[in-house]
Amino acid sequence: AQSVTQLGSHVSVSEGALVLLRCNYSSSVPPYLFWYVQYPNQGLQLLLKYTSAATLVKGINGFEAEFKKSETSFHLTKPSAHMSDAAEYFCAVSGYSSASKIIFGSGTRLSIRP
Amino acid sequence: GAGVSQSPSNKVTEKGKDVELRCDPISGHTALYWYRQSLGQGLEFLIYFQGNSAPDKSGLPSDRFSAERTGGSVSTLTIQRTQQEDSAVYLCASSLLGSPLHFGNGTRLTVT
Repeated sequence: AQSVTQLGSHVSVSEGALVLLRCNYSSSVPPYLFWYVQYPNQGLQLLLKYTSAATLVKGINGFEAEFKKSETSFHLTKPSAHMSDAAEYFCAVSGYSSASKIIFGSGTRLSIRP
Repeated sequence: GAGVSQSPSNKVTEKGKDVELRCDPISGHTALYWYRQSLGQGLEFLIYFQGNSAPDKSGLPSDRFSAERTGGSVSTLTIQRTQQEDSAVYLCASSLLGSPLHFGNGTRLTVT
């Protein structure tokens, strides 16, 4: 079975500061890992995904995430926050099979201070 | 092409009534998911259809919830004898096998 835990339901950073959103996973098999973003009043869209090709994954809008097996983590980072990054971010996991269902975390709301 | 379409976008119903929520996935997508999004609860997995395989119903919260997918395309989520705790946004997503999920805009269900 797979599950994800997102630490911090709400993160607030200043514009230009580092963004770090934490995600830890549990999986009985090698996982696929994802970050999705939901901007205000919009649907969810994929930011990036890890499928074992490379441990550092780059996504859209300057975000990246690093898969660390020893820490069972897949934290999302961005060097410099923009006001437009304010959104809800969801980490998700599925088994190492494209037929496995995708399970989402509880989400982290990112606020950006001017 | 068209994205994932869900209807209705909003539904207000009285406690005890049955409701049906519809999802039209992207044409050709073999995988279809239903999730429930409540304030502060993230996305709760409900059910997963993949091709002709038996659906994974492990997330359905009670036997009042059921879903079907006809002809490998349109899906309907049915909630019988609705309760106030069923109030949430119900999201449908579809994908090709192994590809990112495409989400619909959801159905906001309010049980009064």
